[in-house]
Amino acid sequence: EAQVTQNPRYLITVTGKKLTVTCSQNMNHEYMSWYRQDPGLGLRQIYYSMNVEVTDKGDVPEGYKVSRKEKRNFPLILESPSPNQTSLYFCASSLDRDGDYGYTFGSGTRLTVV
Amino acid sequence: GENVGLHLPTLSVQEGDNSIINCAYSNSASDYFIWYKQESGKGPQFIIDIRSNMDKRQGQRVTVLLNKTVKHLSLQIAATQPGDSAVYFCAETSYYSNYQLIWGAGTKLIIKP
Repeated sequence: EAQVTQNPRYLITVTGKKLTVTCSQNMNHEYMSWYRQDPGLGLRQIYYSMNVEVTDKGDVPEGYKVSRKEKRNFPLILESPSPNQTSLYFCASSLDRDGDYGYTFGSGTRLTVV
Repeated sequence: GENVGLHLPTLSVQEGDNSIINCAYSNSASDYFIWYKQESGKGPQFIIDIRSNMDKRQGQRVTVLLNKTVKHLSLQIAATQPGDSAVYFCAETSYYSNYQLIWGAGTKLIIKP
């Protein structure tokens, strides 16, 4: 089944403790992206990657890092999480940057930073 | 910045009726538009897309209309079913925004039995 898999689905952590949210897609998509979704603010892009070893900042990159060493994986790293990073996170992939054929989203990771 | 927004935050529709969800955008250079459906607890799901060289596109029970003159996009759902209950997002992208998706705030569709 073609899908984007995120882990974990839920995570509660403490301020300052580094964490990684994994994202993997099995569709050989070139383009991958991370979003956060907050009430009243909709979906905001954090980082995106157009291909292996190519990453760029989105609208809200502060406090986040990403890497794209392999085509299928695009982990999101919070080096020192803070409470304002409490949010619902989505990873997405598409065939190309245009989003032709549509973006496929993961099921989401609900992160709480206390 | 550029905006993609929705006219109504909540839409209640009788089961079996048609639903129309509207979206306004401000970037006249936008050339690709997508509608997504997000059910509770799930990620957004692609519904239908349309390019700026078209004004209408149909899918299964859904139709997207694009009016470039007034920069307006709509999603029509025929014979609305309980499973259509969700939040619907329009998203816009263009070469000039580096093909990043710009999202609307979302419209919640409620189906009345």
